[in-house]
Amino acid sequence: DAKTTQPNSMESNEEEPVHLPCNHSTISGTDYIHWYRQLPSQGPEYVIHGLTSNVNNRMASLAIAEDRKSSTLILHRATLRDAAVYYCGLAGGTSYGKLTFGQGTILTVHP
Amino acid sequence: DTEVTQTPKHLVMGMTNKKSLKCEQHMGHRAMYWYKQKAKKPPELMFVYSYEKLSINESVPSRFSPECPNSSLLNLHLHALQPEDSALYLCASSQESTGQGNYEQYFGPGTRLTVT
Repeated sequence: DAKTTQPNSMESNEEEPVHLPCNHSTISGTDYIHWYRQLPSQGPEYVIHGLTSNVNNRMASLAIAEDRKSSTLILHRATLRDAAVYYCGLAGGTSYGKLTFGQGTILTVHP
Repeated sequence: DTEVTQTPKHLVMGMTNKKSLKCEQHMGHRAMYWYKQKAKKPPELMFVYSYEKLSINESVPSRFSPECPNSSLLNLHLHALQPEDSALYLCASSQESTGQGNYEQYFGPGTRLTVT
């Protein structure tokens, strides 16, 4: 299974943009890039996913490198409620639809 | 309704007990999943059901036995567990799981299992 690598932790200030990076150098051509976040004592929550093109939704934007070996989750204006563990994962392609999470980035948002 | 419900929220069981975890969704999703999550680690896939049939078993020990009675329900039967099986067990569902990764998964809040 292709793997993802994320920084252990990142910090941000409230109302500032946050860019969370993810490396996936062994990604296959049919793997989708997924992002989920998990608040304490809760299950993971879907954030966004994409294949090749950049994606936007009401929660965030996903920027995918042209060679697809890395991606960046962008939170346009961080709030205190965005403090969570953010997981980057790959699904589909050679993994038969299985979603494999990376180790996650702990995002701290300062008021 | 985008909710996946799991019962119980917490479970403490001895190594000789038999118990079951339950998961339910009413989104019409045809794929359902069991994950195991240890503290400060990402969720790890255990089983995938697609159209009520087991499609992926990630080499999980037989003391964990999944069951999908219908498209809305997913059970995980537990027997003769070990203390190292203590973890958060998460259920998830998605519209499909046809070998493509183009479907988001909806997770339940999990069952916190402690094996004594």
